[in-house]
Amino acid sequence: ETGVTQSPTHLIKTRGQQVTLRCSSQSGHNTVSWYQQALGQGPQFIFQYYREEENGRGNFPPRFSGLQFPNYSSELNVNALELDDSALYLCASSVDRNSPLHFGNGTRLTVT
Amino acid sequence: GQQVMQIPQYQHVQEGEDFTTYCNSSTTLSNIQWYKQRPGGHPVFLIQLVKSGEVKKQKRLTFQFGEAKKNSSLHITATQTTDVGTYFCAGYSNTGNQFYFGTGTSLTVIP
Repeated sequence: ETGVTQSPTHLIKTRGQQVTLRCSSQSGHNTVSWYQQALGQGPQFIFQYYREEENGRGNFPPRFSGLQFPNYSSELNVNALELDDSALYLCASSVDRNSPLHFGNGTRLTVT
Repeated sequence: GQQVMQIPQYQHVQEGEDFTTYCNSSTTLSNIQWYKQRPGGHPVFLIQLVKSGEVKKQKRLTFQFGEAKKNSSLHITATQTTDVGTYFCAGYSNTGNQFYFGTGTSLTVIP
């Protein structure tokens, strides 16, 4: 059984740039969700995708967007990066919407 | 807006002492999940509670979901150094398609 994998591990971007983060879900999971975790805080829900459709969204601006592909892998895109976007971005997959989350190791994004 | 608060924010205990973290949501949750995150790691699922008033045990850990499905607790008996980490409660709000994590309780166990 393959777990959740995220790429890249670390990323440094400049304010105003755009970034794409990638996530491969665990085998057998059709739901993917993304979280932003600032240092010393709890994960903040960005959005969730179920069978390629957005199934819920947190309080994040439209410059945070995502996709889920037919193989249930997913991308998180962030446009017009701001300094406050610096955080650990976690992807989690689950069997369905209400099931336990299986997290990847995250992507550490630094915006300078 | 929706908030899920945990207390205490930090807890230092001597090894062998008990530990409890409390989770309170401003609105009803459809379920409650608990996660543990070690320093530098990612959250790892511990348990899920679904029913009002439900209590579940995992070895030294006892989890409870409140009758109103707005609060929960995690109790660890006789802590060990392997219990070190931050414990998060999390759950779906019944009022919308959002998943909320609590603010977390960071546990330090002093040998």
